[in-house]
Amino acid sequence: DTAVSQTPKYLVTQMGNDKSIKCEQNLGHDTMYWYKQDSKKFLKIMFSYNNKELIINETVPNRFSPKSPDKAHLNLHINSLELGDSAVYFCASSQDWGGGNEQFFGPGTRLTVL
Amino acid sequence: SQQGEEDPQALSIQEGENATMNCSYKTSINNLQWYRQNSGRGLVHLILIRSNEREKHSGRLRVTLDTSKKSSSLLITASRAADTASYFCATGAGNMLTFGGGTRLMVKP
Repeated sequence: DTAVSQTPKYLVTQMGNDKSIKCEQNLGHDTMYWYKQDSKKFLKIMFSYNNKELIINETVPNRFSPKSPDKAHLNLHINSLELGDSAVYFCASSQDWGGGNEQFFGPGTRLTVL
Repeated sequence: SQQGEEDPQALSIQEGENATMNCSYKTSINNLQWYRQNSGRGLVHLILIRSNEREKHSGRLRVTLDTSKKSSSLLITASRAADTASYFCATGAGNMLTFGGGTRLMVKP
């Protein structure tokens, strides 16, 4: 059973397009996250949702819009894609919010913007 | 800059040797966590050490935390080829976990 799943695994698209990445967790966790990992492997938090409410938004351009229809799902929509958006995007979840919790990561979505 | 910074950035050892990775951070923390990332995969939690703890063990892993020096180390004993991966420290403070840039460990058979 996959704990945190993301789709698609790979996404190749042209500059200017709009795309979405979906994430689902079946762990019953309250909190979900989106991270961006760049080519140098640095992992940066983008958003965090707790029980469908946004609690962290780390100066991400407003072309990125997360949506949490329920606490098991956190999707990421990106408008007007730019070359610099190319990265691996990871979804994660934890039992509840707070930096003291173990986080469970999805397998990642490798986004390539041409 | 990143809250946690790992040192070294890359480490290559022979199977059976011990691997030590260090993490330094800048501000006060509640806890520090170590994660492993295999190539092309998501991160997997290894161990969490709280700010009032000094050492923790889990199987072949040993983590130390020195809050006065704002540093932590991860020791993997008797390494195996399967330990080849990137290892990240993450500092927990407030409602966030902040990751460092990772140490890439290669264990040669």
